[in-house]
Amino acid sequence: DVKVTQSSRYLVKRTGEKVFLECVQDMDHENMFWYRQDPGLGLRLIYFSYDVKMKEKGDIPEGYSVSREKKERFSLILESASTNQTSMYLCASSLLSGGGGGGQEQYFGPGTRLTVT
Amino acid sequence: QQQVKQSPQSLIVQKGGISIINCAYENTAFDYFPWYQQFPGKGPALLIAIRPDVSEKKEGRFTISFNKSAKQFSLHIMDSQPGDSATYFCAARGWNYQLIWGAGTKLIIKP
Repeated sequence: DVKVTQSSRYLVKRTGEKVFLECVQDMDHENMFWYRQDPGLGLRLIYFSYDVKMKEKGDIPEGYSVSREKKERFSLILESASTNQTSMYLCASSLLSGGGGGGQEQYFGPGTRLTVT
Repeated sequence: QQQVKQSPQSLIVQKGGISIINCAYENTAFDYFPWYQQFPGKGPALLIAIRPDVSEKKEGRFTISFNKSAKQFSLHIMDSQPGDSATYFCAARGWNYQLIWGAGTKLIIKP
């Protein structure tokens, strides 16, 4: 079974703090993703990575950065947390990006609920 | 053009009934349409998926109906059970192989 783990289930931080969210997957997947989930907005892609040290911006990268130094680990960084970054953060991984075959299923971690006060 | 519009936002169905969730898209280049199911406190998990060259796909009580000309697809849950109560997301895969997600539907099955 694929397992995606996230470092914290709940996190409370103050405005202006630097925040690190960690994600680890154990299935040697090429791709990893960070989403934020807000009611009524679905899942919005922040950043994704298709290889070690490679990253691509998603739909809402402003205020976030990422790091992928090892294949199994993908970190999301909030350089200076703000109240509008209060949200549920979901990490996911998948075997392949696309193509006609399988491998595009995304496996999600349980999420980190971040509150910025 | 990159949006996927999902409806309804919430849905209450009696046990044993049929739950229907609809999604619409504009971009004809989308080539893969998955549905994900999310229980409280968990991340979404793939439920069922379809490609645009197929009009219907069934897995157990779950069926995707796909209408390419109308650019719509829907999830049908037959004989809905309380254990199906969850949030359901449709999605579509775009040109860069990333998923574009619908806003989600909170489904409640009343016993």
